[in-house]
Amino acid sequence: GAGVSQTPSNKVTEKGKYVELRCDPISGHTALYWYRQSLGQGPEFLIYFQGTGAADDSGLPNDRFFAVRPEGSVSTLKIQRTERGDSAVYLCASSLEGHTNTEAFFGQGTRLTVV
Amino acid sequence: LAKTTQPISMDSYEGQEVNITCSHNNIATNDYITWYQQFPSQGPRFIIQGYKTKVTNEVASLFIPADRKSSTLSLPRVSLSDTAVYYCLVGDTLNTGGFKTIFGAGTRLFVKA
Repeated sequence: GAGVSQTPSNKVTEKGKYVELRCDPISGHTALYWYRQSLGQGPEFLIYFQGTGAADDSGLPNDRFFAVRPEGSVSTLKIQRTERGDSAVYLCASSLEGHTNTEAFFGQGTRLTVV
Repeated sequence: LAKTTQPISMDSYEGQEVNITCSHNNIATNDYITWYQQFPSQGPRFIIQGYKTKVTNEVASLFIPADRKSSTLSLPRVSLSDTAVYYCLVGDTLNTGGFKTIFGAGTRLFVKA
């Protein structure tokens, strides 16, 4: 597709369950970012990939959160033992290069609700 | 961390020019200033980016003074569809080598008829 695609668009899960959120970046974009956005707040940085490797994962809140990008394109954000506080919109973005001076293209997000 | 400060909200009327100012006192030498727009239930969308002086594109202008400690996004003749949240960003190159982008809370612009 032409833009960044995130699936599912909505996910409701029970507390304690495992979830996976998928991001399909724009073809050819080497940099991929995950953000989390709570209601009324700006996006919060989670992790950044340059190619297949996580160049900066300092924003992951704890070890229940993990992300992969095995072939340098699609990325999956994985959350174990979900908690109600994990409820948020998870945004993915991609860009041609990894520097912050480059325009990033965002997906529509996945709205995660933990009940 | 490079941090930005913006007004929480602004109101305007259709057809007016809107100027949103952002403070970024700790901006690094290599950082650019980028503005994004976000509508409800959508991801942020790039508006404009600049390093110094003035940048203009088809939707906005960005004014950056010589000291680069602030910047002003200017939206000419706003319409109802410009109602959105506007984020000012600078890269966090000081601590992370330039790969970590910090969003603040943004400015909620409400355009009235």
